[in-house]
Amino acid sequence: DAGVIQSPRHEVTEMGQEVTLRCKPISGHNSLFWYRQTMMRGLELLIYFNNNVPIDDSGMPEDRFSAKMPNASFSTLKIQPSEPRDSAVYFCASSLSLAVRETQYFGPGTRLLVL
Amino acid sequence: LAKTTQPISMDSYEGQEVNITCSHNNIATNDYITWYQQFPSQGPRFIIQGYKTKVTNEVASLFIPADRKSSTLSLPRVSLSDTAVYYCLVGDIRTGGFKTIFGAGTRLFVKA
Repeated sequence: DAGVIQSPRHEVTEMGQEVTLRCKPISGHNSLFWYRQTMMRGLELLIYFNNNVPIDDSGMPEDRFSAKMPNASFSTLKIQPSEPRDSAVYFCASSLSLAVRETQYFGPGTRLLVL
Repeated sequence: LAKTTQPISMDSYEGQEVNITCSHNNIATNDYITWYQQFPSQGPRFIIQGYKTKVTNEVASLFIPADRKSSTLSLPRVSLSDTAVYYCLVGDIRTGGFKTIFGAGTRLFVKA
């Protein structure tokens, strides 16, 4: 398996623009997680899905952030409008289930810079 | 949620054993302890997980005392490539939910 795939790997945009980050989880994994990592705040869990259903989005910082999982093999994280403080590395991870014993497999991340 | 506390950074030399201790005083009965490793410009990667006593795999060992209020990740004979950030997580199962709390991690720097 290719692992978790994220695109784009790098994104540079201007403040106010819409940004869409994409994730393809490992085939057969039922749970998907979106994280954000910055130097100041570390690695933060934004939202997670189980069987394509959002379970907890309490980590989403603002209404400008939204995430969808239309099917088992694809998820998006959208920021509209983007702001400079959204600059970070965004990771997608997947696991077989939400059981705490299940390992989360992380993608390579999308490095976002909002000017 | 069980919070974890780790040293911010550690230095070591190649070939030495490194022990990183994590405190989790509020660990709950159903919580497991998991360690991840993160290299620069990569996502975290699972290292080891345990519930109590000792767990060993090909990469590391995890020591958990009887009270489970702390755990120690042991890396035998580290090399330069073990330079990374190591995160200790305490899993929290809730009805209908799951939380993963990554703390600041421990930045391990292995010197030649």
